[in-house]
Amino acid sequence: AIQLTQSPSSLSAAVGDRVTITCRASQAIKSALAWYQQKPGKAPKLLIYDASTLESGVPSRFSGSGSGTDFTLTISSLQPEDFATYYCQQFYGLPGTFGRGTKVEIK
Amino acid sequence: QMHLQESGPGLVKPSETLALTCTVSDGSISISSYYWAWFRQPPGEGLEWLGSIYYRGTTEYNADLKSRVTISIDTSKNQFSLTLISVTAADTAVYFCARTSGWSGFAVDAFDLWGQGTMVTISS
Repeated sequence: AIQLTQSPSSLSAAVGDRVTITCRASQAIKSALAWYQQKPGKAPKLLIYDASTLESGVPSRFSGSGSGTDFTLTISSLQPEDFATYYCQQFYGLPGTFGRGTKVEIK
Repeated sequence: QMHLQESGPGLVKPSETLALTCTVSDGSISISSYYWAWFRQPPGEGLEWLGSIYYRGTTEYNADLKSRVTISIDTSKNQFSLTLISVTAADTAVYFCARTSGWSGFAVDAFDLWGQGTMVTISS
């Protein structure tokens, strides 16, 4: 199975900060990567698919980039509602695997 | 807006069978290009894809669980279901149903619609 390594596993940031989360795949996956936001007790919410396409209704402060093995999720100006855990997921090959998550906490 | 809702017992005994149903409302489950999937998330851990099903019955499963997992679909009821046999404490998790976004048309894709999740505890 394709492994996804997310970093960092957690970070502390202030409102207004620029935040970057990385996801590295164990093999090339083209652009078959999605990013999700999950808040405690809630289902994941799709933010980005195809590595860089913003899901409808998601604020433009979220952006994704990358292809092959290295991917990035960027939040340009962190808002109070953005404190959550973020997961990457690959859908290049079965099983669709997830990274272990990055928890974004308030500084 | 289509809505997904999981249902089933919250407590299952070890060695028995876990059975959950996902009911799709405000839309048809018989839509081409979309797959319907089950995931789980153990407490404090990450997400695991269990398997997906197409409305015509085609399935794909996570090989790590393939011998224990079955996903079925009932288009007349707008529902799909998960069965996991021979459960142990390691199967304790929140179980989610979800829908692929249809972007790739494959069984595993980005997932744009999720149920709220249901906690299942395996304990005697």
